[in-house]
Amino acid sequence: KAGVTQTPRYLIKTRGQQVTLSCSPISGHRSVSWYQQTPGQGLQFLFEYFSETQRNKGNFPGRFSGRQFSNSRSEMNVSTLELGDSALYLCASSSMATNEKLFFGSGTQLSVL
Amino acid sequence: GESVGLHLPTLSVQEGDNSIINCAYSNSASDYFIWYKQESGKGPQFIIDIRSNMDKRQGQRVTVLLNKTVKHLSLQIAATQPGDSAVYFCAENTAGTDKLIFGTGTRLQVFP
Repeated sequence: KAGVTQTPRYLIKTRGQQVTLSCSPISGHRSVSWYQQTPGQGLQFLFEYFSETQRNKGNFPGRFSGRQFSNSRSEMNVSTLELGDSALYLCASSSMATNEKLFFGSGTQLSVL
Repeated sequence: GESVGLHLPTLSVQEGDNSIINCAYSNSASDYFIWYKQESGKGPQFIIDIRSNMDKRQGQRVTVLLNKTVKHLSLQIAATQPGDSAVYFCAENTAGTDKLIFGTGTRLQVFP
């Protein structure tokens, strides 16, 4: 069974631009969560989708948004990029109705110049 | 963002020794806990989990201990190997919140 797939693997953007990251969950998983990881920090929860509905949202500004499609694939978008948005963005999927055991992808490394 | 606290940022152990990684959590309502291992350039990988109705759970070379009285979680790795070198995260889930809250991580370094 294929794991969680995230594209692209690396991304370089400049301030003010917007970016879209993609995530394909494990087949059969309906819950997709997004996390931001920066050096020296833990994983910061962004949001979680289940059956195309955003079920939870973390403490991030409105520039961060996401969506989930009917095939459970998910995208997250960051608009008006800031230098501080440079991070590893991780997507995780879960088969459970509650967001417990998460399976992570390798992430998208975003660098904002 | 929210986070569960970890006390030791780096733990160095000799190959073959046992490792103990500790984690404190603040929400007494948390009922599910999980440990992840993250190697450089990779996403976190599931190691072991435990529910609040248990105080100990064992896997292959790993044991998780849960002390709900003091809200403390630990991961024990037996006979630590070079391949165990990574950053380890604990995470908690509170029933009804539908999200995992992660700690800041502990780096485990294994030397010969």
